[in-house]
This record gives sequence, structure tokens and C-alpha cells, in this order.
Amino acid sequence: KQEVTQIPAALSVPEGENLVLNCSFTDSAIYNLQWFRQDPGKGLTSLLLIQSSQREQTSGRLNASLDKSSGRSTLYIAASQPGDSATYLCAVGLGYKLSFGAGTTVTVRA
Amino acid sequence: DGGITQSPKYLFRKEGQNVTLSCEQNLNHDAMYWYRQDPGQGLRLIYYSQIVNDFQKGDIAEGYSVSREKKESFPLTVTSAQKNPTAFYLCASSPGVPGHSNTEAFFGQGTRLTVV
Repeated sequence: KQEVTQIPAALSVPEGENLVLNCSFTDSAIYNLQWFRQDPGKGLTSLLLIQSSQREQTSGRLNASLDKSSGRSTLYIAASQPGDSATYLCAVGLGYKLSFGAGTTVTVRA
Repeated sequence: DGGITQSPKYLFRKEGQNVTLSCEQNLNHDAMYWYRQDPGQGLRLIYYSQIVNDFQKGDIAEGYSVSREKKESFPLTVTSAQKNPTAFYLCASSPGVPGHSNTEAFFGQGTRLTVV
């Protein structure tokens, strides 16, 4: 059974600092890995999708890397802003199924 | 506007009642999913459907039922057999092409169910 872990559970940084969010998974047989953002009481917004054959994916200030052999992915958010405050979840995909981590709750202090 | 619509946003259930959560998508996606989210835990899969008139149990299907009569709709019924139904329920869809690694999932805004 795939286990997905996100450490730390919470993170607080001053505005302008770069954010580094970690995701680890136990089974490297995955099709893809997806990072999501969740605001309080809201649904999930897809940020980045990394296919199993890719090493990284970028969108604006966001960059996500994937190392399948070690079972790890990292989401980097450059020059953080208060609007980046949210919970970030990673999910690994195999076929139709996604296995989720519990998320990292980020607070960016102005 | 393309997307996934969940209704209602908030739902209250009395003990012993069945309630149905609605999920509609206009993305023309084949696959649809229901997840449950509890505080401090990752999302857990309840049911998923790869195609109309077909669905499979996920990891925590006990006490829940679904139907998939139309491609656009995938309602979830929380039955009285579900002993701890208070949670945030999320519906998702994806193009669902088997074996393709670019299968991105999209989510609705969720329904918060509370037992009163």
C-alpha cells in the first residue's frame, strides 16, 4: 500500500523567503505526482503535475522536482507572499487512483 | 465556465438519515471520484468511476453508495450505516485515460457534512 508523508506539518516564514515543501512516498511505481493547494474550507487547486518520466516541472514562482528512485518530491515556492498562505498537498498517481499526504500548512508573515 | 460543482456546500444529517451529496462536471471527463477529508489526515478514496454505469469501491466505501447514470454526474449517498460521517467530502474528475501519466485530477469546492 502506498504511503505518502509530508514533513513538516506546518511552516511559518517571513514574506520574501523561499519555501521548500517535502513529500515522500513508499512505492516508486507511480504514473505521476501532483501538487495541490487548499485554502481553508475550500477544494483543491492543482498547481503542478509531474509525469513519472520527468524530473521537474515549473510554473511561475513554483518549481517541483521528482526523484522516483528515492521516493521524494520537493515543491519550491520562490519569494513567498502572504497570499501563498495555504495548505499544500502532494498526491501520487497510479492509474486512476491518487494517494495523498496529510499536507503542509504554510503561513507567510507580512 | 468549465469545472466541477458540488452541492450543497454545507449539509446537516440527523442520526439514522441517508443524505445525498451532488457532484456535476462539465469537463467531459470519463473518471470521477469521491474523497473524504478529516483534520490532520490525507484525503481517502471512497468510490471511483471510470465510465458511465460502472464504479468501484475505494479504501473506505463502507456506509456509502454511489451511482453513475450520466457522464456528468456522480452523486454520493451517505447512509445510516456510516457511523462517523462528519467530514469534508471532495469530488474530483480526470480524463482517466488508462496508462497515461498526464492524467491530472481536478476537484470541486467540497461539501461539509455534519451530524446533528
